[in-house]
Amino acid sequence: DSGVTQTPKHLITATGQRVTLRCSPRSGDLSVYWYQQSLDQGLQFLIQYYNGEERAKGNILERFSAQQFPDLHSELNLSSLELGDSALYFCASTVGGGGNSPLHFGNGTRLTVT
Amino acid sequence: KNQVEQSPQSLIILEGKNCTLQCNYTVSPFSNLRWYKQDTGRGPVSLTIMTFSENTKSNGRYTATLDADTKQSSLHITASQLSDSASYICVVTFSGGYNKLIFGAGTRLAVHP
Repeated sequence: DSGVTQTPKHLITATGQRVTLRCSPRSGDLSVYWYQQSLDQGLQFLIQYYNGEERAKGNILERFSAQQFPDLHSELNLSSLELGDSALYFCASTVGGGGNSPLHFGNGTRLTVT
Repeated sequence: KNQVEQSPQSLIILEGKNCTLQCNYTVSPFSNLRWYKQDTGRGPVSLTIMTFSENTKSNGRYTATLDADTKQSSLHITASQLSDSASYICVVTFSGGYNKLIFGAGTRLAVHP
């Protein structure tokens, strides 16, 4: 068990809808990363937060947004959903802002857009 | 361009055999190189982390090597088990500016009885 909790595990929704994915990092970890993994594809970095502040942005669409709250949990909001947004969304946490600290991944939220 | 390339894309081996997965990168400067194991439908799990000054690191039957001069790394799996069937992902941390993790596409390993 990595200590990173993601909810929900599965989400099925229709095109055009909006969903919120939630991540609770490991106790003591200040950084949260979000990744998207489409079927049989590699992990695509979306965004990183460190202690409540946005630290780095990757290939995140304008329809997607995220935030990290004072209690360090994070939410990823996906809106105007399209079929191509169907993917596994992973959250990962680490103690610092990156560097040599291990990255601990949750088991993901599987989003299916119909 | 900072990239991480892994080979082979997929591999099938028999239980008990050894195998070696390759990772070539063009990331510079970099602070560390990581190997992760990802079971289907699960989050990646860290196997090893090597800084640029380390040449080898082991974790049980997994041994990673790093040659920073040639920008190559390998992951050697000894005496494979069925549970080793997974994707293995090489990740290099780009340290120019902020620390950015650059992921390879992974090698999908299948261990057959």
